[in-house]
Amino acid sequence: SQQGEEDPQALSIQEGENATMNCSYKTSINNLQWYRQNSGRGLVHLILIRSNEREKHSGRLRVTLDTSKKSSSLLITASRAADTASYFCATFKAAGNKLTFGGGTRVLVKP
Amino acid sequence: NAGVTQTPKFQVLKTGQSMTLQCAQDMNHNSMYWYRQDPGMGLRLIYYSASEGTTDKGEVPNGYNVSRLNKREFSLRLESAAPSQTSVYFCASSGEVLGTSHTFGSGTRLTVV
Repeated sequence: SQQGEEDPQALSIQEGENATMNCSYKTSINNLQWYRQNSGRGLVHLILIRSNEREKHSGRLRVTLDTSKKSSSLLITASRAADTASYFCATFKAAGNKLTFGGGTRVLVKP
Repeated sequence: NAGVTQTPKFQVLKTGQSMTLQCAQDMNHNSMYWYRQDPGMGLRLIYYSASEGTTDKGEVPNGYNVSRLNKREFSLRLESAAPSQTSVYFCASSGEVLGTSHTFGSGTRLTVV
């Protein structure tokens, strides 16, 4: 079973709107990472948040982590057509040394 | 600035054929990984190599073998391809064993007929 589960599976928004996607996981983690995948391409690392952090920012991206609820969210502000992609969360557990990917959220930003 | 380079980009095999997917990174990373991605799913780890000379099984190793040829290169071999191995394969590298961010190659789309 997948450690990280993204929600929603798909999201369609207008350019300029914000996009929010969530990731839930089952067991304790050491860090959580978000990746973007454009169609037919490899994954690109966006941001890493450690278990002792609650929020991180990178440009138009904001990631939150709530370890008590075992969930994370990725917010893309002022979306652009170029943000159209699939977004994956990946959880890392030092015990077992595993980085486990969720099934992804497909985001479509309409111009 | 090549990063992680995978070859080939596309391949069609007949059931029972063998092939090797090649991966090379130029970032002086210690760790390298092979994942597969199936439609609608995230990536699943096949094998990884924490450092030159070591390899370990991931979540779905059956039907695959790997070789860490040197620090730069990590190959994935299918000895007898099966239709269930139809997938997109990604190689990745990182500075440490898991835990830190991965840099991914652009993928190999493999079809086994």
